Amino acid sequence: QKEVEQDPGPLSVPEGAIVSLNCTYSNSAFQYFMWYRQYSRKGPELLMYTYSSGNKEDGRFTAQVDKSSKYISLFIRDSQPSDSATYLCAMIQGAQKLVFGQGTRLTINP
Amino acid sequence: GAVVSQHPSRVICKSGTSVKIECRSLDFQATTMFWYRQFPKQSLMLMATSNEGSKATYEQGVEKDKFLINHASLTLSTLTVTSAHPEDSSFYICSARRLAGATDTQYFGPGTRLTVL
Repeated sequence: QKEVEQDPGPLSVPEGAIVSLNCTYSNSAFQYFMWYRQYSRKGPELLMYTYSSGNKEDGRFTAQVDKSSKYISLFIRDSQPSDSATYLCAMIQGAQKLVFGQGTRLTINP
Repeated sequence: GAVVSQHPSRVICKSGTSVKIECRSLDFQATTMFWYRQFPKQSLMLMATSNEGSKATYEQGVEKDKFLINHASLTLSTLTVTSAHPEDSSFYICSARRLAGATDTQYFGPGTRLTVL
């Protein structure tokens, strides 16, 4: 079993829809949770960073962490074609390396 | 967000030559930087952890004599692919660890696409 599981998709939704991206993990020691967005042929860009259970909102993006269920989510409201990218969840335990999900390929159709 | 740069963004070289890739954290000091490799439509694969002033820590299966890492300052790490071969062609991405209060995260560079002919 992988430490972090993420559905690779692809996921295709119409413009304006609410997008829900999810990851589950098995290591209860993970403390920090991140969502990165990666456009084709570019490096990942940090979108959201959380370290406690609950919700964190930033513009159209909301990150949700449920440590009891070992489940994290990223919601995108009013999705735009420019949101089309691969979204990677990542988590870290202390000073250890990042552990990534496989990434979900998202396409927003105009 | 923090800025991490990589140079060059793209390089094409002949088999047998060595290629150096630079990774710089532009607006913060990074005691730790990471080097990743990414194949098409796959997630990032950690190659090594680069610590300023000490030897890099390589992941299992990564040849340290093949991929030389130097972290000479708090803002610069370099990856040298020695005697490159076509199978080394890939997208190489660095990241820099930023510690600020309770925040511990990594910011990524834009990546370097290496093509070995």
